[in-house]
Amino acid sequence: GAGVSQSPRYKVAKRGQDVALRCDPISGHVSLFWYQQALGQGPEFLTYFQNEAQLDKSGLPSDRFFAERPEGSVSTLKIQRTQQEDSAVYLCASSLEPGLAGYYNEQFFGPGTRLTVL
Amino acid sequence: GIQVEQSPPDLILQEGANSTLRCNFSDSVNNLQWFHQNPWGQLINLFYIPSGTKQNGRLSATTVATERYSLLYISSSQTTDSGVYFCAAQTNSGYALNFGKGTSLLVTP
Repeated sequence: GAGVSQSPRYKVAKRGQDVALRCDPISGHVSLFWYQQALGQGPEFLTYFQNEAQLDKSGLPSDRFFAERPEGSVSTLKIQRTQQEDSAVYLCASSLEPGLAGYYNEQFFGPGTRLTVL
Repeated sequence: GIQVEQSPPDLILQEGANSTLRCNFSDSVNNLQWFHQNPWGQLINLFYIPSGTKQNGRLSATTVATERYSLLYISSSQTTDSGVYFCAAQTNSGYALNFGKGTSLLVTP
């Protein structure tokens, strides 16, 4: 596609429910990132995939958060047993090349999924 | 990790005015980007500028990597320029873009 797409755009969950958020990166992009943006703050890194390999998950806030990219394209961020503090906008980004020094790694962001946990 | 600081935090301009937004970062970077987050939350890429100077219409940016700062210039501001401007930096030791807290810009008619 022309840009990064995410679905759903809005999700309301009751506390304790599991949710799954989808990201379709720009076609052919090697790198895929997930970020979390709380209200009034800048995005914060969650995890990074190079193709299907999850190379960095240091930003995932707890073991309730899980991400996958099994075929190296579409990615899913899953949150189990949601809690109110999980309410935020979840942003996906992709870049053409590996996210390392020496590569062209400009990141392009999707529109985000706004998660509200009641 | 790297610290990214933006100033000013808030800015109100009259249409037609010029402004400069600043981003200081605490470590060497291999990626520095400027974004505009519109009222619908979409992050729009303005510049990919780990070093040097770039211009795009009324916007330009300069990054002085050796002194660890970047500047975003907005000339002849328009009401559609309103929103939050983020600077984000990536170091050689990680994959993440580390964002500043943003500059909230309001351009009035």
